[in-house]
Amino acid sequence: SQTIHQWPATLVQPVGSPLSLECTVEGTSNPNLYWYRQAAGRGLQLLFYSVGIGQISSEVPQNLSASRPQDRQFILSSKKLLLSDSGFYLCAWTELRYTEAFFGQGTRLTVV
Amino acid sequence: DQQVKQNSPSLSVQEGRISILNCDYTNSMFDYFLWYKKYPAEGPTFLISISSIKDKNEDGRFTVFLNKSAKHLSLHIVPSQPGDSAVYFCAASARDTDKLIFGTGTRLQVFP
Repeated sequence: SQTIHQWPATLVQPVGSPLSLECTVEGTSNPNLYWYRQAAGRGLQLLFYSVGIGQISSEVPQNLSASRPQDRQFILSSKKLLLSDSGFYLCAWTELRYTEAFFGQGTRLTVV
Repeated sequence: DQQVKQNSPSLSVQEGRISILNCDYTNSMFDYFLWYKKYPAEGPTFLISISSIKDKNEDGRFTVFLNKSAKHLSLHIVPSQPGDSAVYFCAASARDTDKLIFGTGTRLQVFP
């Protein structure tokens, strides 16, 4: 069966520090991968998605970046965090278009 | 630009009655729609989906209705149960992309 792992679960980082959140999927090949952020009152905002290794589409211009170094690994990064980067970050995958997306448990990021 | 909107941030329903959650979209290219349920500090879980070739899909207590001309979909939960209390997100994807766009969410509270 397929599983998705996302870590860490919680993170407190100072302003200006770097960020690296990792997401891995097991039990499937060539998934579509997504990073979302849930900020207070903002719903689930699509940040990045990837349809293959090295293929990243950015939805929101910001100081975050994403990479997909391996088929089932998706990384969200920042060189310098801002206070506005605080939120609940979720990784998700889909096997094919027109199928449901499966989500990780999320990372609560607090930038102080 | 919020392409998927849930205009009611919250809804309160008595146990046993019907819960109706609404969602509107603006992109006429959307052809697949999903509903997710989310508890705090967890990733969303899939509930039910509908393709644009249908106007209704039913799964147990959950029914999704799609009105393409109005660009509107709704989720009906009958009968509502206290365990249904959560935040509900609608999501949509377009035939020409692999993006999955979520709405802002509606918090449902089912009281005894």
